[in-house]
Amino acid sequence: SAVISQKPSRDICQRGTSLTIQCQVDSQVTMMFWYRQQPGQSLTLIATANQGSEATYESGFVIDKFPISRPNLTFSTLTVSNMSPEDSSIYLCSVEVGTGLHTFGSGTRLTVV
Amino acid sequence: GENVEQHPSTLSVQEGDSAVIKCTYSDSASNYFPWYKQELGKGPQLIIDIRSNVGEKKDQRIAVTLNKTAKHFSLHITETQPEDSAVYFCAASMNSGGSNYKLTFGKGTLLTVNP
Repeated sequence: SAVISQKPSRDICQRGTSLTIQCQVDSQVTMMFWYRQQPGQSLTLIATANQGSEATYESGFVIDKFPISRPNLTFSTLTVSNMSPEDSSIYLCSVEVGTGLHTFGSGTRLTVV
Repeated sequence: GENVEQHPSTLSVQEGDSAVIKCTYSDSASNYFPWYKQELGKGPQLIIDIRSNVGEKKDQRIAVTLNKTAKHFSLHITETQPEDSAVYFCAASMNSGGSNYKLTFGKGTLLTVNP
């Protein structure tokens, strides 16, 4: 299965600023997914990123707030823009490595102060 | 869209006992059901999965059962050990176009195994 490196592992940011999270995979994958996990909560899909096309956002998430890049088949970034304390969460990327089989990165723990 | 309910939200057992976590799903088109274990500070890790053409699957101390008619599936852990302590998530998935499977997660179960 794929190995995912996610950076940074954690950060503390000032409100109003932006943070870009990187996700690097050790093999080429078609689809990459970005999730948010609020404290003590489940995982909620933010968007699906396909190489060479615009990301597809889930209901409640918009591109202006969470712009995503997918420049090649092994890399993606998620930016959390104009942050507020409500954005404090764990952000996770995942890839589909088999039919329905998803592997997750270790996550980015974001605290907005 | 798909909705996945998971129970219980917390579960405490004694070491060596069995633990059972149950999930229900709403969309009969869902056909893939993975279970993930998430330890503190880590990303979710797949521990077992089952597809809709199978009723039960076992891997050592872990088993999953699926009842398609009732739209529910369960995780069974036998002979629990302290290192089984973690948050467990069920998920349901279907092919949402091409080869893309989108996961919908339950809210998670915090399992504590007491030595």
